[in-house]
Amino acid sequence: GAGVSQTPSNKVTEKGKYVELRCDPISGHTALYWYRQSLGQGPEFLIYFQGTGAADDSGLPNDRFFAVRPEGSVSTLKIQRTERGDSAVYLCASSSDRGTYGYTFGSGTRLTVV
Amino acid sequence: AQTVTQSQPEMSVQEAETVTLSCTYDTSESDYYLFWYKQPPSRQMILVIRQEAYKQQNATENRFSVNFQKAAKSFSLKISDSQLGDAAMYFCAFTHGSSNTGKLIFGQGTTLQVKP
Repeated sequence: GAGVSQTPSNKVTEKGKYVELRCDPISGHTALYWYRQSLGQGPEFLIYFQGTGAADDSGLPNDRFFAVRPEGSVSTLKIQRTERGDSAVYLCASSSDRGTYGYTFGSGTRLTVV
Repeated sequence: AQTVTQSQPEMSVQEAETVTLSCTYDTSESDYYLFWYKQPPSRQMILVIRQEAYKQQNATENRFSVNFQKAAKSFSLKISDSQLGDAAMYFCAFTHGSSNTGKLIFGQGTTLQVKP
């Protein structure tokens, strides 16, 4: 596609529920990133995919968070047993290289856990 | 520790005037890349300008330029002839050139208001 697409744009869920956030990167971009942005803060790295594999998942806060990219394009960020502290904007970005030229970001998914 | 500090939570500028946003960073590596991103209310982060640490010449993109002081680990953004559309949150960030991941470290952002 022309840009990075993230769905849904907004998601409200109840505490304890499971959610999936989707990212559709720019066609041909092998690198895909997930970041989390809390209100009034800068984005924080969660996970990096190169192709289908998670090359760096050091930013995932705990084992309730998991992400996949089975065919090397679309990625899904999965959060189990959501907590109110998970409320944030989840940003996805893609790049054709290691990101030294900057990424293209999507518009994010605003997750609200009530 | 790898950190980015933006000491100005909010800045204001008159339309057509010039404003400078500050950024300092901390890294022990010599090979890295610095960025300024703009985030309007639409939430999409837009790359404004990029600087390679091994280049002494300051990067320029139209009305946007940087003052890169490597020894001081300072990377400020200057916006000339400010326009209403420049109003947004601005983030400074860097990534290590030696990194296999391209992970970006972001500052906390500066909200820029442009007054007509």
